[in-house]
Amino acid sequence: EAEVAQSPRYKITEKSQAVAFWCDPISGHATLYWYRQILGQGPELLVQFQDESVVDDSQLPKDRFSAERLKGVDSTLKIQPAELGDSAMYLCASSNLGNEQFFGPGTRLTVL
Amino acid sequence: AQSVTQLDSHVSVSEGTPVLLRCNYSSSYSPSLFWYVQHPNKGLQLLLKYTSAATLVKGINGFEAEFKKSETSFHLTKPSAHMSDAAEYFCVVTSGGYNTGKLIFGQGTTLQVKP
Repeated sequence: EAEVAQSPRYKITEKSQAVAFWCDPISGHATLYWYRQILGQGPELLVQFQDESVVDDSQLPKDRFSAERLKGVDSTLKIQPAELGDSAMYLCASSNLGNEQFFGPGTRLTVL
Repeated sequence: AQSVTQLDSHVSVSEGTPVLLRCNYSSSYSPSLFWYVQHPNKGLQLLLKYTSAATLVKGINGFEAEFKKSETSFHLTKPSAHMSDAAEYFCVVTSGGYNTGKLIFGQGTTLQVKP
């Protein structure tokens, strides 16, 4: 069964450092999403791609976060510099037709 | 604006007893609604979805939910809890029409199942 892949699964970094997360969606899925899930809360959308184009990045803190999906397949989310408040689970999801989104296992980020 | 409110942050049941997880929604148009489950250290999994067809929706693992427009509710139920049902459950509404893709998550309900 096809799955969304994410790496790394866990990341510990110090504040002011740069971090990057990678996501490989299910093959053929044109839409890719990055969510942030703070402990004890539901996920919140950070950015949505349709193929290689950004559809929605209204909740992405653009002063420190960036996301790209250069060839419309896999995607990278970067934080530079990381802050203590960025500690969270970062989830990637993909979908094709309709709303059913398939989620990856996530990357748990801890900023010290 | 669309939103969901999960009325219980934590629900505890005994194995074999019914499960009820409550969700109210707010939407300016006919919404699409979902329930997702998240097991520890695993990704979110879709349990079921309502998209303006039948109001009683059946999902995986014996779960079902009923869309009640008059009460703006979409409660999740299961007749008999199993130990493996212990997880975090999220009620979700779409922002925009069915194909816009943006999901608005509730705060989550932790389901504990006691032996």
